[in-house]
Amino acid sequence: EVQLEESGGGLVQPGRSLRLSCAASGFTFDDYAMHWVRQAPGKGLEWVSGITWNSGSIGYADSVKGRFTISRDNAKNSLYLQMNSLRPEDTALYYCAKSRGSWSHNTLGDYWGQGTLVTVSS
Amino acid sequence: QSALTQPASVSGSPGQSITISCTGTSSDVGGYNYVSWYQQHPGKAPKLIIYDVSNRPSGVSNRFSGSKSGNTASLTISGLQAEDEADYYCSSYTSSSTWVFGGGTRLTVL
Repeated sequence: EVQLEESGGGLVQPGRSLRLSCAASGFTFDDYAMHWVRQAPGKGLEWVSGITWNSGSIGYADSVKGRFTISRDNAKNSLYLQMNSLRPEDTALYYCAKSRGSWSHNTLGDYWGQGTLVTVSS
Repeated sequence: QSALTQPASVSGSPGQSITISCTGTSSDVGGYNYVSWYQQHPGKAPKLIIYDVSNRPSGVSNRFSGSKSGNTASLTISGLQAEDEADYYCSSYTSSSTWVFGGGTRLTVL
């Protein structure tokens, strides 16, 4: 059974940093691209970042480019999102999502975690 | 990276069919057959229901179907059921090697 478990969310002040983690199990992690998708309270889904199976191709939404860094450790079956210079508008539930394939263009989100809540407020 | 355009809400009666549109540009929806649709019930994670424009993942009802014409993709739900009441989102791969979602459509089953 595919499982994705996010962790690392919490309350943080504007300008500070936070690192999210996603522990994956139930599939061959290094065969698949992975993504982070967020959802602000009461709002829609927003793609944040994606990474191919071998970290060879990485993409970011314009809203987080230069502040967030996605990475993965295939030996640990884990996906990460380092979030720096956080802003109140980054407040959201952050989902880890598995891709259907190894590459950027393969459909994201055939499996999702339950999300970890990030609140940016002073 | 502008969001894809979806109607804010649609509604239908049980047994009817409804269609949700998703309009983008030639740099996303119109340029690739990498359009997906997701269903999200309140308080739950999204669920993939259509991928690559018109393919259904295993276990998804054949009442859900997808299509695309030009820069607009569509999701059709036939034989509407009460359990279909949810938010629906489209997404597309883009020419920038990124992904973009639509703003979401709230489906109400009357």
